[in-house]
Amino acid sequence: NAGVTQTPKFRVLKTGQSMTLLCAQDMNHEYMYWYRQDPGMGLRLIHYSVGEGTTAKGEVPDGYNVSRLKKQNFLLGLESAAPSQTSVYFCASSYVRDLRETQYFGPGTRLLVL
Amino acid sequence: DAKTTQPNSMESNEEEPVHLPCNHSTISGTDYIHWYRQLPSQGPEYVIHGLTSNVNNRMASLAIAEDRKSSTLILHRATLRDAAVYYCILRGGTNAGKSTFGDGTTLTVKP
Repeated sequence: NAGVTQTPKFRVLKTGQSMTLLCAQDMNHEYMYWYRQDPGMGLRLIHYSVGEGTTAKGEVPDGYNVSRLKKQNFLLGLESAAPSQTSVYFCASSYVRDLRETQYFGPGTRLLVL
Repeated sequence: DAKTTQPNSMESNEEEPVHLPCNHSTISGTDYIHWYRQLPSQGPEYVIHGLTSNVNNRMASLAIAEDRKSSTLILHRATLRDAAVYYCILRGGTNAGKSTFGDGTTLTVKP
């Protein structure tokens, strides 16, 4: 049981380049999330998904797109990277049981945009 | 989303108890109180959760006020490995499927 995995672990991009971050979970969770965390700050929600084929915007969605074509995968895309998107990106998945939700997080992807 | 308020930072000595407070005055009746922690250079991890009654597990204890407007995470004997950012979050009910984190409390443990 690998839990939540993220690919890649680290990436350097030039301004204007595009890339896709992959999140995979093997726990059959319905919900998946993408967060970003800037130095010394808490996590901010970018996008989330409550099930296969559905996505929704979080607190800071601008400049990002997501897709959830398969239940176990949640992709985060940057179409034209900007230095302001330099951050650590965390993916999470969760289940809801009796109105209680518990999240499981991946190890993070460090992105540097030059 | 219902919000929580935590102190920015706290300090503790090793092997002493630590009480991390959290205020959540707008909590709804179906919201569970969750605590997560984030060790340096890692993703957050689940610590404990509760609804109305106090809870204990191998990591910590959670004390919930009778009116549920505040709670306290208790680490009974802090170790250097407990140095982390601790997040208090409300989950469930109308928040199910939407998750926001605040800035949390940075706990420093001194040897």
